[in-house]
Amino acid sequence: DVKVTQSSRYLVKRTGEKVFLECVQDMDHENMFWYRQDPGLGLRLIYFSYDVKMKEKGDIPEGYSVSREKKERFSLILESASTNQTSMYLCASSTNRQGWTGELFFGEGSRLTVL
Amino acid sequence: AQSVTQLGSHVSVSEGALVLLRCNYSSSVPPYLFWYVQYPNQGLQLLLKYTSAATLVKGINGFEAEFKKSETSFHLTKPSAHMSDAAEYFCAVSERTGNQFYFGTGTSLTVIP
Repeated sequence: DVKVTQSSRYLVKRTGEKVFLECVQDMDHENMFWYRQDPGLGLRLIYFSYDVKMKEKGDIPEGYSVSREKKERFSLILESASTNQTSMYLCASSTNRQGWTGELFFGEGSRLTVL
Repeated sequence: AQSVTQLGSHVSVSEGALVLLRCNYSSSVPPYLFWYVQYPNQGLQLLLKYTSAATLVKGINGFEAEFKKSETSFHLTKPSAHMSDAAEYFCAVSERTGNQFYFGTGTSLTVIP
């Protein structure tokens, strides 16, 4: 089974702190994604990556950056956390390999509270 | 870009009643279609997917969905709701030619004993 692991389930940070959210997948997937989930807004794409060191902005990249130094790891960085970044963050992965049917595999989520 | 519409952000059903969660997408080319379920404080788990085989797709936990091209719909059903079905359900679409995914805003299902 594909496993996507997010390093922290719950985090509490103060305004202005730098925050790292880590995500690791174990199925050699090419594509990795960071979503933000807020009530009534569904999932909104922050960034995605289709290869090592490659990244693409999603719908709401402002205030975030990402890093993908290794294929299995995709990190989301909040340079200076703000209260409006309090949210649930979901990491996901997928593959383009033959037989790909397009589904995303999700981690358990990281619930971030910024005070 | 695609869009996905889930009618009804909250749906309540009695235990044992039919569950019907609606999803419509905008696309002239049949995409891949998915339903995901999310239990409280967890990630999303794949319920079922349509990838151009049978139009009636069966998933886990007794759920199924029917792809109707003429209606651009992919509604999720379950004949008899169980208390454990209470969760948030998301419909999603991905294009066959890329890695873009589009999610609906979700439907919260409440099951009344």
